[in-house]
Amino acid sequence: DAKTTQPPSMDCAEGRAANLPCNHSTISGNEYVYWYRQIHSQGPQYIIHGLKNNETNEMASLIITEDRKSSTLILPHATLRDTAVYYCIVRVAGYSGGGADGLTFGKGTHLIIQP
Amino acid sequence: DTGVSQDPRHKITKRGQNVTFRCDPISEHNRLYWYRQTLGQGPEFLTYFQNEAQLEKSRLLSDRFSAERPKGSFSTLEIQRTEQGDSAMYLCASSLVPGTGELFFGEGSRLTVL
Repeated sequence: DAKTTQPPSMDCAEGRAANLPCNHSTISGNEYVYWYRQIHSQGPQYIIHGLKNNETNEMASLIITEDRKSSTLILPHATLRDTAVYYCIVRVAGYSGGGADGLTFGKGTHLIIQP
Repeated sequence: DTGVSQDPRHKITKRGQNVTFRCDPISEHNRLYWYRQTLGQGPEFLTYFQNEAQLEKSRLLSDRFSAERPKGSFSTLEIQRTEQGDSAMYLCASSLVPGTGELFFGEGSRLTVL
């Protein structure tokens, strides 16, 4: 899996949009960008993933640059419950079933939502 | 609740004792993963199963560690002769392959070795 670079921590005011950047300059053409988050003392939780098009779901939006070397996770209206460590991971999706298919986590970004 | 469940949630043991953790994945998921997480670090991959077959083991998985998934459903992770360095959160995840690649994690089993 390609490596990713994320800022170690970020603050965001409650109710504002939280924009979490991720650099993945060595991403391969068949690798997707996945985002997970981990709230304190819980297991990681899937948020969203994408290949090259921007994606949106009920939790967040994912913006991937045209060259795919970086992406931004957007939480449109952050709440205190969004305080967590956010992990950006690049990997081949599990369609083929080959290989470990597991996730390689870095240290992530600790997002703190301020009241 | 139909998510991934892990048992026990917390385990305190003395150095040298054996411990076993159990993971029950989402019922239709054919892949099961074990991760270890220490304070301030992201989860580290240990091993994974495709149905009952253990297909990959990380170098982190020393010979004191053994994992099984005998019937392709629940899995156990046993640590023999525990050491203080084994203190960590042990996370289990499951997924369906082929699929979207999304892993579903349990709440984890926290091990403290005294």
